[in-house]
Amino acid sequence: DVKVTQSSRYLVKRTGEKVFLECVQDMDHENMFWYRQDPGLGLRLIYFSYDVKMKEKGDIPEGYSVSREKKERFSLILESASTNQTSMYLCASSTPSTSGGKQYFGPGTRLTVT
Amino acid sequence: AQSVTQLDSHVSVSEGTPVLLRCNYSSSYSPSLFWYVQHPNKGLQLLLKYTSAATLVKGINGFEAEFKKSETSFHLTKPSAHMSDAAEYFCVVREYGNKLVFGAGTILRVKS
Repeated sequence: DVKVTQSSRYLVKRTGEKVFLECVQDMDHENMFWYRQDPGLGLRLIYFSYDVKMKEKGDIPEGYSVSREKKERFSLILESASTNQTSMYLCASSTPSTSGGKQYFGPGTRLTVT
Repeated sequence: AQSVTQLDSHVSVSEGTPVLLRCNYSSSYSPSLFWYVQHPNKGLQLLLKYTSAATLVKGINGFEAEFKKSETSFHLTKPSAHMSDAAEYFCVVREYGNKLVFGAGTILRVKS
């Protein structure tokens, strides 16, 4: 069974802090993704990565960066947290499109910035 | 860019009655479409997917969806709602590079 784990289920940080959200998958997937989920907006893609050290901006990358030093780990970084980044953050990994492209989601990290 | 529109933010049905969750998509080519479900405080779970094979797709828990190109729709249905179906449902289209574009979500409430 594919497992995608996220380092924290709940996190509370102060405005201006640097925040790291970690995601680890155990299926040797090349593709990994970070989304944020807000009520009435669904999930929106922040960043994604096709391979180690590769990253591409999604639809809402402002205020975020990512790091992919190892294949199994994809980190989301909030350089200077702001209250409008209070949200649920979901990580996903997927098989290639050629083999179905199914995305597997982690349980999410609910981040509150005060 | 591809997009999906979920036509109802909330749907309320009685237990045992049919469920219809509506989704329209916008795509410049033959899309891959998905429905995901998220139960309260749980992760996202794939219900079903359409990838240009049969237009009627059967998923888990008795759900199915029909791809209608002429109407650009991919509505989710279930003949008889169960209390455990109460959740939020997302219609999703896949873009290039395996990126997923999510609809805003439909919250399904099931009344006893």
